[in-house]
Amino acid sequence: DQQVKQNSPSLSVQEGRISILNCDYTNSMFDYFLWYKKYPAEGPTFLISISSIKDKNEDGRFTVFLNKSAKHLSLHIVPSQPGDSAVYFCAASWKTGNQFYFGTGTSLTVIP
Amino acid sequence: GAGVSQTPSNKVTEKGKYVELRCDPISGHTALYWYRQSLGQGPEFLIYFQGTGAADDSGLPNDRFFAVRPEGSVSTLKIQRTERGDSAVYLCASSIAGGPQHFGPGTRLLVL
Repeated sequence: DQQVKQNSPSLSVQEGRISILNCDYTNSMFDYFLWYKKYPAEGPTFLISISSIKDKNEDGRFTVFLNKSAKHLSLHIVPSQPGDSAVYFCAASWKTGNQFYFGTGTSLTVIP
Repeated sequence: GAGVSQTPSNKVTEKGKYVELRCDPISGHTALYWYRQSLGQGPEFLIYFQGTGAADDSGLPNDRFFAVRPEGSVSTLKIQRTERGDSAVYLCASSIAGGPQHFGPGTRLLVL
């Protein structure tokens, strides 16, 4: 049973435009959410996180939005750059130190 | 500083053999996690250590899988009587309490 879902396996965006990656979850106990970026043959790299007490967290070009009532989070990248091309995973957990539940990933391609 | 390292980076073995996969976490990280990632999927949780003890091993698929962390730093994931279905990328991650998990590059295991 997939508790974290990324329904778009791929996304293509023009350089300079906004990339929006979406993620849905089913477990209302989740209180900590993260986005990871993964290049081929490398492990996932932590990008940005948000706790359930917030609805937005921003770090440079990356902003994560959390809608608890809809059990939905999104990652906005603006402006998108070719180096952002990678697979993006969202992950969720509840309580400190617990395992993360990952989505299946969205492959982002930023076209120069 | 040094990130999470995993050895070997690739391992090819025959069905029925025993393998050991090693993880060196980031210095000072008390929490260590093992995940398994199959093609087209997100990482799936296997086991979590807090210090030397396994705090949660609910993700281990069966008793052929075992992991240790005897001194609270380096961890070894052990797989007995390997099967072709064990072929995957095995990822290790570490974290401080309440922080994001930082992943290593993974070990690509192929069971022939």
